[in-house]
Amino acid sequence: DAKTTQPNSMESNEEEPVHLPCNHSTISGTDYIHWYRQLPSQGPEYVIHGLTSNVNNRMASLAIAEDRKSSTLILHRATLRDAAVYYCSVLYGQNFVFGPGTRLSVLP
Amino acid sequence: GVTQSPTHLIKTRGQQVTLRCSSQSGHNTVSWYQQALGQGPQFIFQYYEKEERGRGNVPDRFSARQFPNYSSELNVNALLLGDSALYLCASSLEDWGRQETQYFGPGTRLLVL
Repeated sequence: DAKTTQPNSMESNEEEPVHLPCNHSTISGTDYIHWYRQLPSQGPEYVIHGLTSNVNNRMASLAIAEDRKSSTLILHRATLRDAAVYYCSVLYGQNFVFGPGTRLSVLP
Repeated sequence: GVTQSPTHLIKTRGQQVTLRCSSQSGHNTVSWYQQALGQGPQFIFQYYEKEERGRGNVPDRFSARQFPNYSSELNVNALLLGDSALYLCASSLEDWGRQETQYFGPGTRLLVL
C-alpha cells in the first residue's frame, strides 16, 4: 500500500530554520510530492510541491532526495504564524495519500 | 475559493446526511476526504468531469456525485458513530492528464450520536 511517514511533532525557535522530514518509500517515478499545512478549524493549505528537483517558493523550500524516497520541507525563518500541522502528501496516480502530519510548535 | 456547507452537523445513528461543496472557479476535479481527529485526511472519492475517477476504502454507504457546474455532494447512509469526522472537499484542475494542486474547503464537522 502507498504510505508516507512523518514525525509526530517538532519544535523550533522563532526566526530559526525548520526542517520537516517525510518518508515515502513506495513512490514511483511520476508521483508528485506535495506539502500542505493545517491550522485549527481550517482545511489544509497548499505549501509547495515537486517531482524530482528541489523547489522554492515564497513560503518554503522542498528538498527531494535523489532516490525520491524522502523529502524535506524547509521553512527558512519560522514565525509564530507557521505553527500548524504539516502534511506530506504523495500524488499516487490520481489520488493524494496524506501522511499522519507533523505538529510544529514555534517558540517565541 | 472552495466552500462547503454546512459547517457543522449533528446526526444520530442510522440517519442519512448530505454534504455539499462548491469548487473553485475553473476547476474540473473534486475530491472528498475524511479526517478523523488527530489524523491526516483519508481519501474517499474523486470526480473528474462528472465521472467517478477514484474511490477510497469506504463502505457502500458512502456515495458522491459531481454536477455540471462542478459542485459536488457527498452522501452517507445509515450513519455509524465511527463516521464522526471532518469531511473535506478539495478542488483542482486537471490539465492534459496531470492533476494540479488541490485547494481545500474549510470542511464540514459531522458528529454522529
